[in-house]
Amino acid sequence: DVKVTQSSRYLVKRTGEKVFLECVQDMDHENMFWYRQDPGLGLRLIYFSYDVKMKEKGDIPEGYSVSREKKERFSLILESASTNQTSMYLCASGRTYGYTFGSGTRLTVV
Amino acid sequence: KQEVTQIPAALSVPEGENLVLNCSFTDSAIYNLQWFRQDPGKGLTSLLLIQSSQREQTSGRLNASLDKSSGRSTLYIAASQPGDSATYLCAGQRQSGSEKLVFGKGTKLTVNP
Repeated sequence: DVKVTQSSRYLVKRTGEKVFLECVQDMDHENMFWYRQDPGLGLRLIYFSYDVKMKEKGDIPEGYSVSREKKERFSLILESASTNQTSMYLCASGRTYGYTFGSGTRLTVV
Repeated sequence: KQEVTQIPAALSVPEGENLVLNCSFTDSAIYNLQWFRQDPGKGLTSLLLIQSSQREQTSGRLNASLDKSSGRSTLYIAASQPGDSATYLCAGQRQSGSEKLVFGKGTKLTVNP
């Protein structure tokens, strides 16, 4: 089975900190995604990547950046964390034939 | 812009009941339709994927159908159990170019013993 691993289940960071969320997949998938999930708003796409060193903005990229130096790893970076970035962050990988999600990172910014 | 709507937002049923969850999308250019399950505080678990050439998929007590002409998908759960309690999300993938998934906001299902 495809495995998508997010490095942390829970994180607490301070306002203004630079935060790295890591995601690793083991199935050689080209496509990787970062979503955030908030009550009442559902899942919203932050960034995605079709290949190494390629990235495209999703619906809500402001305040975030990404890095994909290796095919299996897709990192989400909060350049200067703010309280409105407190959320559940979900990483996914896949191809045309379905996507697999990680278990999520619950980030709290205080 | 593709929009995905799930109705109802919440559903509570007694154990053993058969039930249907609905998903509708505004753009008929759906390529794939995927159903997920999410338990509280957890990630998404894929349940069923219906590819563009298919009309339905089955896995155990679950059956999902896709009608692109009407812009609708349904997830049928037979003989519901308390362990089926979770939020169910559908996500569509457009036909042309983009491989992004667009999600509905989910249906929160509670199965009462």
